[in-house]
Amino acid sequence: AQKITQTQPGMFVQEKEAVTLDCTYDTSDPSYGLFWYKQPSSGEMIFLIYQGSYDQQNATEGRYSLNFQKARKSANLVISASQLGDSAMYFCAMKGTGANNLFFGTGTRLTVIP
Amino acid sequence: KAGVTQTPRYLIKTRGQQVTLSCSPISGHRSVSWYQQTPGQGLQFLFEYFSETQRNKGNFPGRFSGRQFSNSRSEMNVSTLELGDSALYLCASSGGTGKRTNEKLFFGSGTQLSVL
Repeated sequence: AQKITQTQPGMFVQEKEAVTLDCTYDTSDPSYGLFWYKQPSSGEMIFLIYQGSYDQQNATEGRYSLNFQKARKSANLVISASQLGDSAMYFCAMKGTGANNLFFGTGTRLTVIP
Repeated sequence: KAGVTQTPRYLIKTRGQQVTLSCSPISGHRSVSWYQQTPGQGLQFLFEYFSETQRNKGNFPGRFSGRQFSNSRSEMNVSTLELGDSALYLCASSGGTGKRTNEKLFFGSGTQLSVL
């Protein structure tokens, strides 16, 4: 069974500062993918970044980077230079092979303070 | 390219009724999956369709069903609505076959269902 754990229900960050959102996972699959999605109040889930279980380097997408520590089964999202528009719910999710279904964590609500 | 479109955006129903939600995937995408989001249970996978066939199903009662048409559009139906079915229902499409872990899912804005 696959499980995603996000232990931070809410986080605050000052505008222009960096913030790390935690995610740990558990799976018995040797091959898996880890995703981060952003959900603003409008409801739509917006893809941010992806990390494959066999990727040697940490993924980066603009201001987003993923701190992937396979031995610890963690995939933390780092947002640099936070902006007011970053205020939203952030979800960590995992996908295996053979199916297009994601297992989601409970999410972290990020609030950026001006 | 148009994104994933879900209709309607909001729905209000009463207990015992049934409801049908619609999802139009990104053009060319053959995989459509559905998720239920509630404050208590979070985001839960309902089912996935690929080329008109249901490939995977989450742990939901048989009152929840779906189908996919030849143009990849999908509908989700909930019969005999219960108060606990009140949720945001999200649809996602993917251009891949599901065999690779890096296949991104693109989500719609969801349908907010309220059961009174």
